[in-house]
Amino acid sequence: GQQVMQIPQYQHVQEGEDFTTYCNSSTTLSNIQWYKQRPGGHPVFLIQLVKSGEVKKQKRLTFQFGEAKKNSSLHITATQTTDVGTYFCAGMAHNQGGKLIFGQGTELSVKP
Amino acid sequence: SQTIHQWPATLVQPVGSPLSLECTVEGTSNPNLYWYRQAAGRGLQLLFYSVGIGQISSEVPQNLSASRPQDRQFILSSKKLLLSDSGFYLCAWGAVDRGYEQYFGPGTRLTVT
Repeated sequence: GQQVMQIPQYQHVQEGEDFTTYCNSSTTLSNIQWYKQRPGGHPVFLIQLVKSGEVKKQKRLTFQFGEAKKNSSLHITATQTTDVGTYFCAGMAHNQGGKLIFGQGTELSVKP
Repeated sequence: SQTIHQWPATLVQPVGSPLSLECTVEGTSNPNLYWYRQAAGRGLQLLFYSVGIGQISSEVPQNLSASRPQDRQFILSSKKLLLSDSGFYLCAWGAVDRGYEQYFGPGTRLTVT
């Protein structure tokens, strides 16, 4: 079945350093979505990418969708302590009626 | 605006006892509804999803079941809990006009003892 792999599993950075998490799907995706889960909280939707090669920015966060629509990345510039949490990608294959397959997540810790 | 409610927030149940978790959504009609389980704070496992009343798709064989008796109500149940059922249970909704972005409830932390 469809799988979404996400790396790294953990990332520890010093405040001010950059951070990137990568996501790869075993199948071509209709869209890819990114979520953030703070410690003790629930996942919160960040963004959705639909087009091949699409790049979207939210302040210090940059999201990319690969040309083949099978991979994606999230890059955070100059991390802050408020960025702490687990970042999940979630892929939707075609004709899946709204079903998302989540990656295992990347847990980001930021040392002040 | 849309709101999603889940209760209870925490639950401690003995092995072999029944379970009923409820999720309700406000402010939207005919949403897709989802139940996920998150073990050890990592990875979201899709358990069930529903595209309409009475329509349930099961993703993982287990001793859990789901029902959707009303458009905006989704219930997760078990007749007899196992230790392995412990985890963080999350309900979410999504809609086709939002590209199926999913919005999660606050979750229920279940501990089976």
